[in-house]
Amino acid sequence: GQNIDQPTEMTATEGAIVQINCTYQTSGFNGLFWYQQHAGEAPTFLSYNVLDGLEEKGRFSSFLSRSKGYSYLLLKELQMKDSASYLCAAFLSYNAGNMLTFGGGTRLMVKP
Amino acid sequence: GAVVSQHPSWVICKSGTSVKIECRSLDFQATTMFWYRQFPKQSLMLMATSNEGSKATYEQGVEKDKFLINHASLTLSTLTVTSAHPEDSSFYICSARDSYTAGEQFFGPGTRLTVL
Repeated sequence: GQNIDQPTEMTATEGAIVQINCTYQTSGFNGLFWYQQHAGEAPTFLSYNVLDGLEEKGRFSSFLSRSKGYSYLLLKELQMKDSASYLCAAFLSYNAGNMLTFGGGTRLMVKP
Repeated sequence: GAVVSQHPSWVICKSGTSVKIECRSLDFQATTMFWYRQFPKQSLMLMATSNEGSKATYEQGVEKDKFLINHASLTLSTLTVTSAHPEDSSFYICSARDSYTAGEQFFGPGTRLTVL
């Protein structure tokens, strides 16, 4: 089966740095997405990693190691508005096409 | 960027009624659309993959006769929850993939269904 694991909850302080890890055991892996989701809203795209390495986009960076089945999302200079759930999702290929399989999500709480 | 809309945004209905949710890609064509369900404090669970002009592919455990999916055009997919019951109350989210690009899916804003 397809397994995607990430911590359930994390707490961090405003202005700090937080790293959210995601490990996966999948078949047909193409790449890994990170989404942010505020309560009651749809997910919004943060990043998509296909190749190994770190991709930086403003305060957010995402890392992928395909050989280790590991990714992380790094959030710098945390703001209160960053309190949300962060979902990692593996983009997989299968016979009928492509699909996203989501991890359970990590609820991040940013405290003053 | 690509925009996906859903209608309605929220719906409250009595047990036993059927509810139709529409998912539209507004500025691109989507050969494939996906329907997800999300219960409180849980992640998105894929229900089915909707392919334009063909039958939807349902994930294990999802009843195809209860959750009817129609993808009649490249910009519209509909999910009908038939004979809804309180346990069907959830947040339903669709996503669409651009026919001409690979990779990113664009999510709709979601539909909150409450069955009384």
